[in-house]
Amino acid sequence: QQQVKQSPQSLIVQKGGISIINCAYENTAFDYFPWYQQFPGKGPALLIAIRPDVSEKKEGRFTISFNKSAKQFSLHIMDSQPGDSATYFCAASRSGTYKYIFGTGTRLKVLA
Amino acid sequence: DTEVTQTPKHLVMGMTNKKSLKCEQHMGHRAMYWYKQKAKKPPELMFVYSYEKLSINESVPSRFSPECPNSSLLNLHLHALQPEDSALYLCASSQDGSSYNEQFFGPGTRLTVL
Repeated sequence: QQQVKQSPQSLIVQKGGISIINCAYENTAFDYFPWYQQFPGKGPALLIAIRPDVSEKKEGRFTISFNKSAKQFSLHIMDSQPGDSATYFCAASRSGTYKYIFGTGTRLKVLA
Repeated sequence: DTEVTQTPKHLVMGMTNKKSLKCEQHMGHRAMYWYKQKAKKPPELMFVYSYEKLSINESVPSRFSPECPNSSLLNLHLHALQPEDSALYLCASSQDGSSYNEQFFGPGTRLTVL
């Protein structure tokens, strides 16, 4: 019940296309869902995060869609660029705790 | 300052060495974390300090010893490590654990144990 399932494991997208990464969770107590972007040899950087009281959050080219009833959330990267090539991790957390449950990661490659 | 800094960037050590990793943040955060990350895997929580007290130890072997000298600093002391301990060690911080827990990560220390 503590798992967060992330798919796909890897993704190749053409420049200008839409990248979509999906995550699913079981624990309904989770109430914070961040996405992290990690470049090789660097630490993860917080990209965007959502709480269950909204169904969508957009920041620039990055959008999180959240479906509370399905216990799923996804990251959409619009107009994908080669500079977006990185590994993306979703995570879930419960307020009042310190633990993140990370997804397994998605390696995104955007072709020029 | 919205940055978590870590030193050194790279560390190579033998199995009999003693070394330390250092992490610093000046965001006024009261929770600090150590994570271990293997290649192509998500970060794996090791320790959490909250208000300078050890709050979580995820059953980490005693050859890893954390220390939080003050609210801005976090150390990880390493002794008698094994080659399988080679990994990227990440430090993170957050406001605290009492609300939505936005964690900010440092760039990591790449550790190689020979």
